[in-house]
Amino acid sequence: RKEVEQDPGPFNVPEGATVAFNCTYSNSASQSFFWYRQDCRKEPKLLMSVYSSGNEDGRFTAQLNRASQYISLLIRDSKLSDSATYLCVVNRAGGGNKLTFGTGTQLKVEL
Amino acid sequence: IAGITQAPTSQILAAGRRMTLRCTQDMRHNAMYWYRQDLGLGLRLIHYSNTAGTTGKGEVPDGYSVSRANTDDFPLTLASAVPSQTSVYFCASSDLPGQGPSEAFFGQGTRLTVV
Repeated sequence: RKEVEQDPGPFNVPEGATVAFNCTYSNSASQSFFWYRQDCRKEPKLLMSVYSSGNEDGRFTAQLNRASQYISLLIRDSKLSDSATYLCVVNRAGGGNKLTFGTGTQLKVEL
Repeated sequence: IAGITQAPTSQILAAGRRMTLRCTQDMRHNAMYWYRQDLGLGLRLIHYSNTAGTTGKGEVPDGYSVSRANTDDFPLTLASAVPSQTSVYFCASSDLPGQGPSEAFFGQGTRLTVV
């Protein structure tokens, strides 16, 4: 089983739609959680950190369920510019900041 | 402009040749990392360094070596390249986590093709 698992998609949605991505992680000792965004042939960039109480940044909402080892990202009012691959990332406990990446979920927002 | 720089941006390399991918950051981050990204497998950690003078193995270290002589530089060496090392390589840096999660910054990537 992969340490971080995501549905690869692609998710094809119309502009203005709400879309949700899910991610599960296997290591219960994981401490920090993130969503990164990666555009085609570019480097990953931090979209948002995920906090235990859930957090929101504009149209983006992230949730963490430690009991179920589950992370989610909700995008409201999708824009064409949201088209990208979204990477779920988990920081394992101990040994520094070794981030483990999911394989990513591809989102395509269409007119 | 502060950030993390990789060189070269792309390279075609004959199998069996030695190659060093360069990575430099000017953010004074303690930790640096090398990842490879392959279709369907995502980003996988090759080696990491939590501070100058120390390195550690990641998920897929075989065939690669690193050094961390100073804070800014973290070169990745392929001693004898093989076709399975064809990939996109990303270098990243971050502060070590203190009170909370720390963001990792990535270089623009090196596209390596081993033929």
